[in-house]
Amino acid sequence: AQSVTQLGSHVSVSEGALVLLRCNYSSSVPPYLFWYVQYPNQGLQLLLKYTTGATLVKGINGFEAEFKKSETSFHLTKPSAHMSDAAEYFCAVSDDEGRRALTFGSGTRLQVQP
Amino acid sequence: DAGVIQSPRHEVTEMGQEVTLRCKPISGHNSLFWYRQTMMRGLELLIYFNNNVPIDDSGMPEDRFSAKMPNASFSTLKIQPSEPRDSAVYFCASSLSDTQYFGPGTRLTVL
Repeated sequence: AQSVTQLGSHVSVSEGALVLLRCNYSSSVPPYLFWYVQYPNQGLQLLLKYTTGATLVKGINGFEAEFKKSETSFHLTKPSAHMSDAAEYFCAVSDDEGRRALTFGSGTRLQVQP
Repeated sequence: DAGVIQSPRHEVTEMGQEVTLRCKPISGHNSLFWYRQTMMRGLELLIYFNNNVPIDDSGMPEDRFSAKMPNASFSTLKIQPSEPRDSAVYFCASSLSDTQYFGPGTRLTVL
């Protein structure tokens, strides 16, 4: 069975500050890992994914995440927050090379203060 | 591409009524997923199909819920009879390989 833990249901940063959203996973097989963003009243949009290969992955809107197998982590970062980054962020894991359904974390709501 | 299309976007119904949610996946995708999002339980899988065949329906809450995929371009999720605890946002997603693309969701309110 797989699981995802997102530490911090709410994170608040100032505009221009570093964004760090934490995600730890549990999987019995090599995981495929994803970060999705959800803006109010919208569906989920893929930010980035890790499948195999390079452990540092870059996504849209300046976000990146690093897969650390030893720490079972896949934290999301962005060097400089923008007001438009305010949204809810979900970390998810899939096995079977991504062919199976996603198991989501509980989400982290990011607030960006002016 | 238009992306995943879901209808209706909002549904308000009374307890005991039948509700049907619809999904059109992205053309060419061979997997389709139904998820439910609530404040209490977050995002959880209800059922998924591969090549129109249900693969895992272990997330379907109970017999009141049923899902079909009669062809590669259409799926329905039916709740009969509906109950207030079914109120949630229901998402459909489709994929061809490892990435799922989500629709805008249907917000269901059961009074």
